[in-house]
Parts: sequence; structure tokens; C-alpha cells
Amino acid sequence: DQQVKQNSPSLSVQEGRISILNCDYTNSMFDYFLWYKKYPAEGPTFLISISSIKDKNEDGRFTVFLNKSAKHLSLHIVPSQPGDSAVYFCAAAHRGNQFYFGTGTSLTVIP
Amino acid sequence: DAGVIQSPRHEVTEMGQEVTLRCKPISGHNSLFWYRQTMMRGLELLIYFNNNVPIDDSGMPEDRFSAKMPNASFSTLKIQPSEPRDSAVYFCASSTGGSNTGELFFGEGSRLTVL
Repeated sequence: DQQVKQNSPSLSVQEGRISILNCDYTNSMFDYFLWYKKYPAEGPTFLISISSIKDKNEDGRFTVFLNKSAKHLSLHIVPSQPGDSAVYFCAAAHRGNQFYFGTGTSLTVIP
Repeated sequence: DAGVIQSPRHEVTEMGQEVTLRCKPISGHNSLFWYRQTMMRGLELLIYFNNNVPIDDSGMPEDRFSAKMPNASFSTLKIQPSEPRDSAVYFCASSTGGSNTGELFFGEGSRLTVL
């Protein structure tokens, strides 16, 4: 059973607007959450992370929000740029082991 | 550092053949992971090693799949016999492990096609 779920397989956003990617998890033992970005024919690359003791982490145009009570996290990209077009994977881990990933959301930023 | 290195990048084989995928983790990383990417399940964890020891192989789909890590710098994922439904991209990743701030570093993947 999927412990990490990304229910939106795809998302299209106009350049300059905000992109919001969502992720839900089921295991309350997860204490670390990450977002990865993947371009075609490449491996996923780390984008941003958040510890379970925080509810927000920001890095430039990227912000991750964590709502532990809802077991939900989201990635905000603002402003969105065409180069952000990629597949985004949400991941969750417990004590740095057994990183579980979602099915991914394909983001298209339209120029 | 060269990053996580996987080989081959592409493999096309016929059903019933043995397939061996290889991975060299980043030097100094003590955890290694094998993932399979499919449309339906996304990045699916197959097995992970800590200090060369398999810790959890519950994600390995069948007995046809096996993985080894004979030393800290090399791991293999073997499929014998291969089937068309094994067609996917297989990723290897490594990390420093055991920390709630570490991240996974992925290789570029091995795309397997079983005819």
C-alpha cells in the first residue's frame, strides 16, 4: 500500500504564477519529508526538505509546508518558470531510512 | 565526487534472460537503495542496505529479484528470469543514512526493456 500519495498526476501553470503540488502520507512515524525534481532521462535530484518539528521551510522560490495533523505537505513554487517543468516526487522517511516516494506530479509551466 | 554511478544505462533483453544492474554509491555513504520507477507506483523501494547489510527487502517483487552488496562501493540487482512486466527504470541511490537530515542521491537510472 502506498504510504506516500500524490493524487494529482499532472499540473499546468502559467509562467509567473504560483505552482502548488500536494502530497499526503499515512505513517505518523515519518519524521522527515523531501521533494525531488526529475527531468526526463535523469535521476531525481533533491529540491527541498522539512523536518517534522517544523511546519514551513523556504529556499528561494520554493517553500514546503507541513501539516502533521492532516498528514499533508505541499510544495509552493513562486514565481513559476518554464525551467521548473519536470516531475516532482514527494518523499517521506523515518530516521533517515526507508525513503518512501509518491507517484509523482508532472508540472508544466506554460510560457 | 562523481555521484552515484549506474550501469548499464539501457538494457534490452528477451524474456527469460538474466539481467544484472550495477551501482557504485558515493564514497563514504553507508546506505544504498534500489528503486523501480513505474507509472502506476512511482518510485517504488525494492531494497535497501545499511553498511552492506540488507535491512529491508520487502519491496522486492518476487523471488526472481535478488540484490547484493559485496562491499561498500558496489551493489547489483539481478532479475532471473526476466519478464516483460519487469520493464521499467531502475534507480540506485545512496545516503549517509541514519540521520533525519540526510538526503538521497540518485544515479541516472538503468532503463530495462524486456521483450
